[in-house]
Amino acid sequence: QVQLVESGGGVVQPGRSLRLSCAASGFTFSSYGMHWVRQAPGKGLEWVAVISYDGSNKYYADSVKGRFTISRDNSKNTLYLQMNSLRAEDTAVYYCAKEGFEGDGGNSGGMDVWGQGTTVTVSS
Amino acid sequence: DIQMTQSPSSLSASVGDRVTITCRASQSISSYLNWYQQKPGKAPKLLIYAASSLQSGVPSRFSGSGSGTDFTLTISSLQPEDFATYYCQQSYSTLPFFGPGTKVDIK
Repeated sequence: QVQLVESGGGVVQPGRSLRLSCAASGFTFSSYGMHWVRQAPGKGLEWVAVISYDGSNKYYADSVKGRFTISRDNSKNTLYLQMNSLRAEDTAVYYCAKEGFEGDGGNSGGMDVWGQGTTVTVSS
Repeated sequence: DIQMTQSPSSLSASVGDRVTITCRASQSISSYLNWYQQKPGKAPKLLIYAASSLQSGVPSRFSGSGSGTDFTLTISSLQPEDFATYYCQQSYSTLPFFGPGTKVDIK
């Protein structure tokens, strides 16, 4: 079945780094754009970053631009989020999500598969 | 950046009620609008994409409409399992922001 499984979350001090992973299975990973979305405790969904199916295009929310890097390894069916210079306000559950359609413009089909989320807590 | 607003921010309804949630974009997004349902402690679930297309497996009591800047999610007859928070999201731009959410709880 189609599945996304995040890992790599934990407790980290402000200013430190963390790398999240999202392992994909059950679909042709290399054909779909992928997103990271986060949710701070008690808050709504915040879109974080997107990477195109081939890794050639990447976009970020202003709140993480310059600190976070999205990447993918299509040979390993894995999505990553490298998070540097972490702040308390980055504390959240981080979800990876698959675009609904293949190729360019795939987000017009929404985000149709989500992982279970991994929790990042930034605290001294 | 395209900003999304939703109204109301919360509502109370009874089983069997017809529920309507509105989403507005800060500029025209054609029909590039998606709706999600999220229950506490769970990942979001895609309900509607492209403003009015029902995602596979989603009950037909959910429907979406609208284009341009104004969109609506309608639940024709609210069921116990529909009590949740609903988010709209635009997929028109490269920065696909979500709306702030609408919480639907039991009256």
